[in-house]
Amino acid sequence: QKEVEQNSGPLSVPEGAIASLNCTYSDRGSQSFFWYRQYSGKSPELIMFIYSNGDKEDGRFTAQLNKASQYVSLLIRDSQPSDSATYLCAVTGGSGYSTLTFGKGTMLLVSP
Amino acid sequence: DTAVSQTPKYLVTQMGNDKSIKCEQNLGHDTMYWYKQDSKKFLKIMFSYNNKELIINETVPNRFSPKSPDKAHLNLHINSLELGDSAVYFCASSQGTSFVSYEQYFGPGTRLTVT
Repeated sequence: QKEVEQNSGPLSVPEGAIASLNCTYSDRGSQSFFWYRQYSGKSPELIMFIYSNGDKEDGRFTAQLNKASQYVSLLIRDSQPSDSATYLCAVTGGSGYSTLTFGKGTMLLVSP
Repeated sequence: DTAVSQTPKYLVTQMGNDKSIKCEQNLGHDTMYWYKQDSKKFLKIMFSYNNKELIINETVPNRFSPKSPDKAHLNLHINSLELGDSAVYFCASSQGTSFVSYEQYFGPGTRLTVT
C-alpha cells in the first residue's frame, strides 16, 4: 500500500519568508512527484513536478527530491498571502497504469 | 474556456436515491479520472479510464458505476446513496498514463451531500 505523508499544519509564515513544505513516501518504486495547490473550496492545481534527484526551480517555487531518503519538498520563496492554501504532495509509480497517490496536504498560512 | 467541467456543482439528496455526475474535458486528453475528497480533505482515486476503457478501479463499492461514452466524457452514477458518500467528487484528465507526463487537470468538483 503506497503511502504519502505530510504534516497537516497549519504552517504559518510571515509575508516575504520562505515556506518549506515536506513530504515522505513509502514506495521506493515511485518515479514522479507532484505538488498541487488547493485553495479552500476549489480544485487542486498543479504547481510543479519533479522526477530526478536534486532541485527544480520555477519562479518562486523550488521542488527538491531525494529518492534515497524517499523525501520530496517544496520551497516557496518570498511567500505572499495569496500563497495561503493547502499543498498536496502526490506520487506515482514507474510502470504500467499508475495512479497518483496523494498525501493529506499541508495547510500554509501566510500572514501580511 | 473551461478545460474540465463537471455538473452539477452541488448535489443534495436523500439516502437511498440514485444520482449521476457528469464530466467533460476539452483538452483532447486520453485519460480521465474520478477522485473522492472526504471531509478531512483526503483526495483518493476511484476510477480511471483511458480511451473509454476502464484501467483503474480502486476499492470502491459497486454502487458506484462509471461510464465513458467517449474519451472526452466520464460520468459517475451512484446507486442507493449512503451518508458516507457525502464528499466532493473531482473529475480530472491527463494526456496518457505515462508516469513521466502525469499532469492532471481537475474539474471544479461536485459537492455531494446525502441527508
